[in-house]
Amino acid sequence: RKEVEQDPGPFNVPEGATVAFNCTYSNSASQSFFWYRQDCRKEPKLLMSVYSSGNEDGRFTAQLNRASQYISLLIRDSKLSDSATYLCVVNERGGTSYGKLTFGQGTILTVHP
Amino acid sequence: NAGVTQTPKFQVLKTGQSMTLQCAQDMNHNSMYWYRQDPGMGLRLIYYSASEGTTDKGEVPNGYNVSRLNKREFSLRLESAAPSQTSVYFCASSALPAGGSNEQFFGPGTRLTVL
Repeated sequence: RKEVEQDPGPFNVPEGATVAFNCTYSNSASQSFFWYRQDCRKEPKLLMSVYSSGNEDGRFTAQLNRASQYISLLIRDSKLSDSATYLCVVNERGGTSYGKLTFGQGTILTVHP
Repeated sequence: NAGVTQTPKFQVLKTGQSMTLQCAQDMNHNSMYWYRQDPGMGLRLIYYSASEGTTDKGEVPNGYNVSRLNKREFSLRLESAAPSQTSVYFCASSALPAGGSNEQFFGPGTRLTVL
């Protein structure tokens, strides 16, 4: 079983749609969680961290369920510029310890007019 | 600030050739990382350096060596390139262990093809 698993998609949605991505992780000791965004042929960039209580950043909402070892990302009112690959990322150790990040393979999102 | 820079951007090698990928960061970060990204595999950690003067193996270190030349620079060397090393290589840095943030900042990548 992969350490971090995502539905690779692709997800094709119209502008204005709401879309949700899911991710599961296998290591119950994981402490920090992130969503990264990667545009085509570019480097990954941090989209948002995921906190236990859930968190929102504009149109983006991230949720964490530690009991089920499950992370989600919800994008509301999709824009053409949201088209990218979304990477679920898990860190085994939080705080100031060395952080080995484990990346999912990514979910491809295409938003069309 | 340039952030994380990598050279070269593209490289084609023949099997058995050697080369060094260069990486530098200007954010005064302590930790630096080398990843490779292959279709359907996600990013996989090759080597990392938690501080100047230290390096450790990641998930896929075989066939690679690294040097943390100073706080700014972290190079990745392929001694005898193989077709299985065809990939996109990303360098990253983070403020860890100081700073408290696990965010990693990535360079633009090097696209390597081994024939």
